[in-house]
Amino acid sequence: DTGVSQDPRHKITKRGQNVTFRCDPISEHNRLYWYRQTLGQGPEFLTYFQNEAQLEKSRLLSDRFSAERPKGSFSTLEIQRTEQGDSAMYLCASSLVRTGGAEAFFGQGTRLTVV
Amino acid sequence: SQKIEQNSEALNIQEGKTATLTCNYTNYSPAYLQWYRQDPGRGPVFLLLIRENEKEKRKERLKVTFDTTLKQSLFHITASQPADSATYLCALDMRGNTPLVFGKGTRLSVIA
Repeated sequence: DTGVSQDPRHKITKRGQNVTFRCDPISEHNRLYWYRQTLGQGPEFLTYFQNEAQLEKSRLLSDRFSAERPKGSFSTLEIQRTEQGDSAMYLCASSLVRTGGAEAFFGQGTRLTVV
Repeated sequence: SQKIEQNSEALNIQEGKTATLTCNYTNYSPAYLQWYRQDPGRGPVFLLLIRENEKEKRKERLKVTFDTTLKQSLFHITASQPADSATYLCALDMRGNTPLVFGKGTRLSVIA
């Protein structure tokens, strides 16, 4: 399977713990995005990378969230000191920048439950 | 304030009919508009992209229109089938290759 891969698919954690998620994009894609989605809402942008450079972070993203894409390939999203409000589906998407806009390819997501 | 509104949370139609979903936006000027399908527990899947200078785009049973004056896109599924039942999301791309801004989605149910 050569699509976007996310790991783990599900994560249950206690409030205050740190969690880290991984995303492996489609190999030739240079853009990688992280979104968060809660029930009944559309995906909400968190941050994105072009190759290894982080180009933008949402103003909604607190300092407890950090993302990396160390060699321009896979990416990790870490949430420190998790709160119940962090419970959501975390989606990763990748795309290939080109003239005329580009569709995003999404992974299956990591569902986080903070108890 | 900036808003994206999709016509209703849920839409039920009979098999064989045409489903029409609406996406309206306020205080955005997207260069591109995209539609995605999302099944429960899965990530969104890309369906169609339309540019601001295009009025209409078709792909098999799908048709999208984009009216930048009305700030509206319509998404049509003709000859709908129960397998088309899913949530459909519209997404705005402001300048091309920029992070997408999504609506809440419309949950479509096609009844046999």
